[in-house]
Amino acid sequence: QQQVKQSPQSLIVQKGGISIINCAYENTAFDYFPWYQQFPGKGPALLIAIRPDVSEKKEGRFTISFNKSAKQFSLHIMDSQPGDSATYFCAASPNFGNEKLTFGTGTRLTIIP
Amino acid sequence: GAVVSQHPSWVICKSGTSVKIECRSLDFQATTMFWYRQFPKQSLMLMATSNEGSKATYEQGVEKDKFLINHASLTLSTLTVTSAHPEDSSFYICSGAGPSRGYTFGSGTRLTVV
Repeated sequence: QQQVKQSPQSLIVQKGGISIINCAYENTAFDYFPWYQQFPGKGPALLIAIRPDVSEKKEGRFTISFNKSAKQFSLHIMDSQPGDSATYFCAASPNFGNEKLTFGTGTRLTIIP
Repeated sequence: GAVVSQHPSWVICKSGTSVKIECRSLDFQATTMFWYRQFPKQSLMLMATSNEGSKATYEQGVEKDKFLINHASLTLSTLTVTSAHPEDSSFYICSGAGPSRGYTFGSGTRLTVV
């Protein structure tokens, strides 16, 4: 019940296209859903996060869509750029800042010219 | 924004020796520090959770006598890998957290045991 399932495992998108990564969870106690970007040899960096009281959050080219009833959330990267090539992890926590994050398995995104 | 400084960024040690990894929260008080381990092309695996002044809580399967965690203050936590062996080679990442701050990750430490 603690799992967060992430797909796809890898994704190749053309420059300028839309990258979409999906996550699903089971634990209805989760109330914080962040997305992290990680480059090789670096720690994860927070990209964008959402709480279950909203269905969408947009920050620049990055959008989280959240479907509480389906227990799913997704990351959309608009106008994908080669610099977006990285590994992306979704995560979830039942208590923001107090309890552990449960991570998805990661998506390796490659943006090609 | 919040910063967690993690050192060293990489370390090579001989089998049987101990290695200490340090994480400092520079501009906030981390009431909780999470320690993760990450193998190549895999997700982050939580090793333990520590609260300032308390003993760490280890995840199932993580040897607490091998991975010693100290959270002596709200700004400093350390992970010591004791009697390191080649199978301990991995990427170790800390994350400082607080109720109003969320989670801030360190830059990671690449440990290679030879």
